[in-house]
Amino acid sequence: LAKTTQPISMDSYEGQEVNITCSHNNIATNDYITWYQQFPSQGPRFIIQGYKTKVTNEVASLFIPADRKSSTLSLPRVSLSDTAVYYCLVGGQYNFNKFYFGSGTKLNVKP
Amino acid sequence: NAGVTQTPKFQVLKTGQSMTLQCAQDMNHNSMYWYRQDPGMGLRLIYYSASEGTTDKGEVPNGYNVSRLNKREFSLRLESAAPSQTSVYFCASSGAGAESYEQYFGPGTRLTVT
Repeated sequence: LAKTTQPISMDSYEGQEVNITCSHNNIATNDYITWYQQFPSQGPRFIIQGYKTKVTNEVASLFIPADRKSSTLSLPRVSLSDTAVYYCLVGGQYNFNKFYFGSGTKLNVKP
Repeated sequence: NAGVTQTPKFQVLKTGQSMTLQCAQDMNHNSMYWYRQDPGMGLRLIYYSASEGTTDKGEVPNGYNVSRLNKREFSLRLESAAPSQTSVYFCASSGAGAESYEQYFGPGTRLTVT
């Protein structure tokens, strides 16, 4: 399984765009990149998944360069409620039975 | 839909006691998972079940057993609890194959072993 490296924590202010970068140098050809969000005392929640280039949904955008050795989760105009831990996961499309969550990035949004 | 439910929400055990954590999902998912999360850490996979009737070990299976009772239910048993098993336990479910990346998590069980 390709393991990931993320910053331990990040600070931001309400209304700003936040970009969280994840390194996954050993990503395999059939691996997908998935991001989860976890609030305190809750289970993680799926945010977005991608394979290459850019993916956007109603919550976030995911940017993946051509070499796929890193990815960036972009959260537009964050609010206080976006304060959470964000996990980057890498795995094959058919073997997400073996997720590796890592320690994640603690995002602290300030007023 | 209730999604993924877990019981109990909290539990305190003494070393050596046994207990079973229950998990049920109503999304007709094929795959189910058990994770543990220690304070300040990410989640670690204990066991998973890709489909009814099958189970497989994850990253940290020692000290645990699981049963996939039917498509809806997946239980986790601690036969002889140890303080090192103090953690928050999350159950999750997902579709199979290409849909397995989107997992739905329960609210967790906070277990303390003294």
